[in-house]
Amino acid sequence: QVQLQQWGAGLLQPSETLSLTCAVYSGSFSGYYWSWIRQPPGKGLEWIGEINHRGSTNYNPSLKSRVTMSVDTSQNHISLKLSSVAAADTGIYYCARRGVVAAAGQLDYWGQGTLVTVSS
Amino acid sequence: DIQMTQSPSSLSASAGDRVTITCRASQGISNYLAWYQQKPGKVPELLIYAASTLQSGVPSRFSGSGSGTDFTLTISSLQPEDVATYYCQKYGSAPRTFGRGTKVEIK
Repeated sequence: QVQLQQWGAGLLQPSETLSLTCAVYSGSFSGYYWSWIRQPPGKGLEWIGEINHRGSTNYNPSLKSRVTMSVDTSQNHISLKLSSVAAADTGIYYCARRGVVAAAGQLDYWGQGTLVTVSS
Repeated sequence: DIQMTQSPSSLSASAGDRVTITCRASQGISNYLAWYQQKPGKVPELLIYAASTLQSGVPSRFSGSGSGTDFTLTISSLQPEDVATYYCQKYGSAPRTFGRGTKVEIK
């Protein structure tokens, strides 16, 4: 059973950098893209971006200037950094798995979510 | 970028009712569409992919249809445990945009 476990700092001040990590347990790591999604309190889901085991990335254009994703294939970890955070970046951040090919791009496994609050 | 428009934003129906949620893409996306269910306080879960394929373990009262720009999620007989927010997502190409969600409640 594939498991995604994520962690990171939950409270940030404005202008700081958000940093989250997602570990993948069981199943193939290299055969998938690994995505980040966020959800502001009481609002809908927003796709942040994705990365594969080679480090190839796709980012949401609205966040691209502030987002960096990386991968550590030795530990089956993916990481998200979001710079210059503001209150609007407050929310639950999820990592999730999607297939490599377009026809298998659904998000079938999700992490437990990490609440990140940006407040001074 | 392709926009995903869901309707309605919320609905209230009686147990046993047939419920239909619509998702419209601003451009054709073939059948590269997924539906997710998010129960209150929980992680989203995959319900349907490829517009109409039920994810393993999902009850058969859920069904999906559509191709191109217009898609539908149907719950044939609404159950109390189906209270949730439902999201569509296009996934064939980046950005893999979600719809804004449909909140389903029981009357």
